[in-house]
Amino acid sequence: GNSVTQMEGPVTLSEEAFLTINCTYTATGYPSLFWYVQYPGEGLQLLLKATKADDKGSNKGFEATYRKETTSFHLEKGSVQVSDSAVYFCALSPPSGGSYIPTFGRGTSLIVHP
Amino acid sequence: EAGVTQFPSHSVIEKGQTVTLRCDPISGHDNLYWYRRVMGKEIKFLLHFVKESKQDESGMPNNRFLAERTGGTYSTLKVQPAELEDSGVYFCASSQVPLVGGYTFGSGTRLTVV
Repeated sequence: GNSVTQMEGPVTLSEEAFLTINCTYTATGYPSLFWYVQYPGEGLQLLLKATKADDKGSNKGFEATYRKETTSFHLEKGSVQVSDSAVYFCALSPPSGGSYIPTFGRGTSLIVHP
Repeated sequence: EAGVTQFPSHSVIEKGQTVTLRCDPISGHDNLYWYRRVMGKEIKFLLHFVKESKQDESGMPNNRFLAERTGGTYSTLKVQPAELEDSGVYFCASSQVPLVGGYTFGSGTRLTVV
């Protein structure tokens, strides 16, 4: 079956530090890959996505590249801010033609200190 | 545009009691989804409505859980009787089309069964 594995948190960083949150997946075919973010007290929001190998999704300074060869979709940001403190979820959606129900990872909590 | 609204935001109940969670999707969104996150674990799919019909309820854990969406508008998720392992955050999401990238999530209901 499909699965998503994320690095365990919390990840604690100082402001302006470089961020990497690892995500690897197991799936048949070529799934679409997503990063969702949940800020305190809010719902999950789509942060970025990639639908095919070597695609790079980007938004708000965050980036993730779909690596088929390593089945990974690591989230990166060059300089984090306190406002980036949130829980980040990696997810995959099966290839088109199948179920659209996504598989989520466990979430990684990010804490950014001033 | 109003977002997906869930209430209550928090609920603490005793084992054996009944709790009903409500989700109001974005107006016009035919697709409504329920998910659950047990603390520290993955967000798990529970079920998917298309209008008032259950499209997929393969994620419902057992028959203590009952979801309804009368009239194809808001949805309720009832847990009766609640058990300790039902504790977690219950998320609702809606979309116009069944596409993961098109989901809008609510902020969730945190359920604690004591």
